[in-house]
Amino acid sequence: EIVLTQSPGTLSLSLGERAIVSCRASQSVSSSHLAWYRQKPGQAPRLLIYGASNRATGVPDRFSGGGSGTDFTLIISRLEPEDFAVFYCQQYGTSPLTFGGGTKVEIK
Amino acid sequence: QVQLQEAGPGLVEPSQTLSLTCTVSGGSISSGRDYWSWIRQPAGQGLEWIGRIYIGGGSVIYNPSLKSRVTISTDTSKNQFSLRLTSVTAADTAVYFCAREPILSFGVIVTSGFDYWGQGALVTVSS
Repeated sequence: EIVLTQSPGTLSLSLGERAIVSCRASQSVSSSHLAWYRQKPGQAPRLLIYGASNRATGVPDRFSGGGSGTDFTLIISRLEPEDFAVFYCQQYGTSPLTFGGGTKVEIK
Repeated sequence: QVQLQEAGPGLVEPSQTLSLTCTVSGGSISSGRDYWSWIRQPAGQGLEWIGRIYIGGGSVIYNPSLKSRVTISTDTSKNQFSLRLTSVTAADTAVYFCAREPILSFGVIVTSGFDYWGQGALVTVSS
């Protein structure tokens, strides 16, 4: 099983600031099958990024993803109010599909 | 617009079987262009993938951590897929989500993560 480790666990930032979330895999993620999600309280996760760097339909361009192999990054260029939430990475190239433990972005 | 909706009992007694259905609207589970998954999330915790079914190839794969207790099946006439989890304990208390994973390429299978999710169904295991 591929274990995904996200860092940091919590980010304390202000509106308009830049957020960087890291996701490290215990082994290489095949074909960059790495996705990022945002989850607000009481809601299902929303797909932001797939294939490590492709924005999903309707996702604002303040979200960008990068990386390959075992190291991946989600960058939010300017935090909006709806971005104070929990972000998860997920690999879907190898079964079992696995998620990172989550990074909470909170208002500073 | 694709929509998914989970349904099933919100309370299950220990050692019994948890059963949920996911009804898909706005798209066909029989199209052969998608994987259909179940995912769960205990309160305040992270996400755990349970398993998925692919109707096009008739294949089902499960998370090894749950494989001995899980069955995912479909009812194409109702455009639904279902989850059965046997011998439940309090550790199975969670919000259960169904989700779609579209297949972007079939030569070498390329998918895009879970693009549509149900709202989630809270299932509590308690006597």
